[in-house]
Amino acid sequence: AQTVTQSQPEMSVQEAETVTLSCTYDTSENNYYLFWYKQPPSRQMILVIRQEAYKQQNATENRFSVNFQKAAKSFSLKISDSQLGDTAMYFCAFMKHGGTSYGKLTFGQGTILTVHP
Amino acid sequence: DGGITQSPKYLFRKEGQNVTLSCEQNLNHDAMYWYRQDPGQGLRLIYYSQIVNDFQKGDIAEGYSVSREKKESFPLTVTSAQKNPTAFYLCASSTVKNQPQHFGDGTRLSIL
Repeated sequence: AQTVTQSQPEMSVQEAETVTLSCTYDTSENNYYLFWYKQPPSRQMILVIRQEAYKQQNATENRFSVNFQKAAKSFSLKISDSQLGDTAMYFCAFMKHGGTSYGKLTFGQGTILTVHP
Repeated sequence: DGGITQSPKYLFRKEGQNVTLSCEQNLNHDAMYWYRQDPGQGLRLIYYSQIVNDFQKGDIAEGYSVSREKKESFPLTVTSAQKNPTAFYLCASSTVKNQPQHFGDGTRLSIL
């Protein structure tokens, strides 16, 4: 079974600054996907960024980028030029590639990020 | 616009009563999922379905039931056997092949 751990229950950052959210995971799989989802106060889950484990290059999406360290089983999210609209709970999630549990997501416990003006 | 619709937004359950949460998608996705979210915890998978007329238990299926009679619909019934049903419930869908899931806006279930 897979586990995902987010060790930072809460984080805060000043507007326009950079913040990094941590995520570690445990799996015996070699092929998998990792995701960061954002849940603002509206409670809607929004996909932020996705990383395929077989790709060495770190994924980027505008102000969002990841630092994927496969050997260390670490998947951190960096938010640059933080904006007030980035205030949300952020979830790290793992998805196994293939098999009978195809498409299942395993989530971490979440990190509440507050961006201060 | 394509998306996932969950209803109702808020639901109250009396003791001993079964309640059904609706989830409909028009994204033509094959797979659908139900998650439960409690305060201070991440999302936990209740049930999922990859094709019509087939579904599998997730990590916390006890006290819940589902059906998948149509591709677009995946209703979740919270039965009286679920002793602690108060939570936020999220429905999601995806194409089967390694694609991220899209989520509905959720239903908050409370006990009267």
